[in-house]
Amino acid sequence: EAGVAQSPRYKIIEKRQSVAFWCNPISGHATLYWYQQILGQGPKLLIQFQNNGVVDDSQLPKDRFSAERLKGVDSTLKIQPAKLEDSAVYLCASSRLAGGSGELFFGEGSRLTVL
Amino acid sequence: AQSVTQLGSHVSVSEGALVLLRCNYSSSVPPYLFWYVQYPNQGLQLLLKYTSAATLVKGINGFEAEFKKSETSFHLTKPSAHMSDAAEYFCAVSGKGSGGSYIPTFGRGTSLIVHP
Repeated sequence: EAGVAQSPRYKIIEKRQSVAFWCNPISGHATLYWYQQILGQGPKLLIQFQNNGVVDDSQLPKDRFSAERLKGVDSTLKIQPAKLEDSAVYLCASSRLAGGSGELFFGEGSRLTVL
Repeated sequence: AQSVTQLGSHVSVSEGALVLLRCNYSSSVPPYLFWYVQYPNQGLQLLLKYTSAATLVKGINGFEAEFKKSETSFHLTKPSAHMSDAAEYFCAVSGKGSGGSYIPTFGRGTSLIVHP
């Protein structure tokens, strides 16, 4: 089966600009996650969707970050305006099981550099 | 709130030596526990998963982990390191959030360095 697809792989922008990342999960997976991985740190959960509803977004900086999962399939994560500290790899993951107890399948990530 | 602590940001071993990567967690309810591996420029992939069926869990590539509830630990081991094991290893705990769903939380990661 096809894995989790993410695009773009790399993006360089200047601070205060906007950027959007796209994720297509594995077909049939109920749960979708966006994680932020800053260099040298572990992945930090930004938002968790179950189908097209939000399960957890407590660590999403809602003044600048937004995410949606239309029709319970693919998802976009947007940052507007970007700050220097947003430089990171944005990982998308999906899980077959609803509820967050199953194995996560990760995409290769989208690396963002904010200058 | 749940948390994961990985002791040691870097672990260095010789090829053929025992690998031990430490992970301690805090969770208000029995959680699901995972180890993931990340090779350079790749996404994370599952090594093994604990789901309460057995305290000793065997994973891919000869790795295994033991769940010790009394110590709230889930350390990862491999009897004999191989050069190809050099990677970043992440421990993760999935515990129930306030909404009733399980929320996966990752540790900071441990970089395994294998010397010839």
